[in-house]
Amino acid sequence: LAKTTQPISMDSYEGQEVNITCSHNNIATNDYITWYQQFPSQGPRFIIQGYKTKVTNEVASLFIPADRKSSTLSLPRVSLSDTAVYYCLVGDDYGQNFVFGPGTRLSVLP
Amino acid sequence: ETGVTQTPRHLVMGMTNKKSLKCEQHLGHNAMYWYKQSAKKPLELMFVYNFKEQTENNSVPSRFSPECPNSSHLFLHLHTLQPEDSALYLCASSQDSLFTRGVYNEQFFGPGTRLTVL
Repeated sequence: LAKTTQPISMDSYEGQEVNITCSHNNIATNDYITWYQQFPSQGPRFIIQGYKTKVTNEVASLFIPADRKSSTLSLPRVSLSDTAVYYCLVGDDYGQNFVFGPGTRLSVLP
Repeated sequence: ETGVTQTPRHLVMGMTNKKSLKCEQHLGHNAMYWYKQSAKKPLELMFVYNFKEQTENNSVPSRFSPECPNSSHLFLHLHTLQPEDSALYLCASSQDSLFTRGVYNEQFFGPGTRLTVL
């Protein structure tokens, strides 16, 4: 199982770009990288997923270097409503070994 | 609203009680999951069901007993729990198991049941 490490917490201000990095040194060839967002008292919600290079959707971008030992979630121009816990998730092609990381608590300040 | 509902939202029980958590998904998914989320700890996968068959049990104590009567419903039966079992229990579903032929099947989570064991 690929173990992930993330910063425990981050602070940012409204309108700034936020980059959260996740380390997964033991990532396997078949592992995908997925990020989830969780608000208090709610279940996690899918943000973005990638395997290598860069992925972008309407919410975020995901940067994965060539060695895939880390990944960076980029949130452009955050707002107060982006305050949440962000989980980096690494899982393999067989679907069972999906391990949530410890999460990063992002606080967006006015 | 993710299409996954859980009841009850809050539950307080004594260590000798028997209770059940219910999860229902209205998405036509085939795979369902139970997770446990304790304070300041990562989400822990407990059970995985695919097409009503249990495909994973992550060394969960027998005082937690899952049941999946059909692809839309998932239960977690609780008996003789311990105070350290107090946590948020999350249910999730996905179209099929998380990766099917290289295609990622996104998980949709319910709001969770906040369980307190006295």
